[in-house]
Amino acid sequence: KQEVTQIPAALSVPEGENLVLNCSFTDSAIYNLQWFRQDPGKGLTSLLLIQSSQREQTSGRLNASLDKSSGRSTLYIAASQPGDSATYLCAVPNRDDKIIFGKGTRLHILP
Amino acid sequence: DVKVTQSSRYLVKRTGEKVFLECVQDMDHENMFWYRQDPGLGLRLIYFSYDVKMKEKGDIPEGYSVSREKKERFSLILESASTNQTSMYLCASSMPDRGFGNGEAFFGQGTRLTVV
Repeated sequence: KQEVTQIPAALSVPEGENLVLNCSFTDSAIYNLQWFRQDPGKGLTSLLLIQSSQREQTSGRLNASLDKSSGRSTLYIAASQPGDSATYLCAVPNRDDKIIFGKGTRLHILP
Repeated sequence: DVKVTQSSRYLVKRTGEKVFLECVQDMDHENMFWYRQDPGLGLRLIYFSYDVKMKEKGDIPEGYSVSREKKERFSLILESASTNQTSMYLCASSMPDRGFGNGEAFFGQGTRLTVV
């Protein structure tokens, strides 16, 4: 059974710093891995989707990497801003297309 | 723009009521999902549908049922609402990803349900 773990559960960093969020999964037979952002009380916003054949994907200040063989993904945020404060979740679809989520990393950027 | 729309942002219902949560997507996605999200427990899958009239139970289906009569619409039904069903409910849709790069999932804005 696929399990997704995100470490740390919470993170506070000063504005302007670069930071890395981690995601690990137990079953490497995945088609893709997706990173989401969630603001308090809101739905999830898709940030990046990495296909299993890709090593990384970039969107603006965000860069996500995928190492399928080791069951790991990282989300790198460059030059963090207060507006980046949110919860970040990673997710992978199971073999039967059900999407499994980690519990997220709650990020707080200090002005 | 892909859109997944949930019928209500906030709902307050009484214990024992039958509650309907509606979700509509406009991307012709085959897969649709209902999750609930609670502090410390993350997103837990309630039900999954991979086609019209097809459904599978997720991790916590007890007390819930679903209906998918049309491809774009997936309804979550609380048969007899209870206070422990107070939660944030999130609907999502996606295509099955078979390596073609089209498996991105999209979420609705969420429904905060309070059962009193």
